[in-house]
Amino acid sequence: DQQVKQNSPSLSVQEGRISILNCDYTNSMFDYFLWYKKYPAEGPTFLISISSIKDKNEDGRFTVFLNKSAKHLSLHIVPSQPGDSAVYFCAASLTGGGNKLTFGTGTQLKVEL
Amino acid sequence: KAGVTQTPRYLIKTRGQQVTLSCSPISGHRSVSWYQQTPGQGLQFLFEYFSETQRNKGNFPGRFSGRQFSNSRSEMNVSTLELGDSALYLCASRLTPGLAGYEQYFGPGTRLTVT
Repeated sequence: DQQVKQNSPSLSVQEGRISILNCDYTNSMFDYFLWYKKYPAEGPTFLISISSIKDKNEDGRFTVFLNKSAKHLSLHIVPSQPGDSAVYFCAASLTGGGNKLTFGTGTQLKVEL
Repeated sequence: KAGVTQTPRYLIKTRGQQVTLSCSPISGHRSVSWYQQTPGQGLQFLFEYFSETQRNKGNFPGRFSGRQFSNSRSEMNVSTLELGDSALYLCASRLTPGLAGYEQYFGPGTRLTVT
């Protein structure tokens, strides 16, 4: 049972434009959400997170939006840069779940010149 | 500050053998978690350790085990290897377990191939 889903396995965007990566979850008990970026042969790198008590969090070019009623979150990257090309994972955790993160299957973002 | 280190980076084993993977967390981090990444299942939580105690365990068979030492270094062991155990095994460290806002930092992983 995939509790966190990223339905788009890949996304291609032109440099300078907005990249929007989407993530859906089914477990309403999740209360903390994170985005990680992963380059080949490296471990995932933390990007940005959001608590379920918020609906938006910004950090530079990265903004995460959370729609609890729809059980949906999205990551916006503006402007997109070639160095952003990587696999992006969304992850969710719940209070009492310790360090356990439930990951989506990832979206490969390609930013083209 | 050095990041999470994992050894070895690559490993080839034969079905039926056992393997031990090692993880050294970021200095000062006392919480360590392990994840398995495969193309079909994505990243899946194996277990987490804090103060040498397993605090949480994912849905994996008993062939997968781990431990943590007093210096916070951790090892995971897989016995009686199966072809399906071929994966990237990732270790993540955290300052303290469970509290939101303290992010987990991942190592580069150990690529295990079972033939």
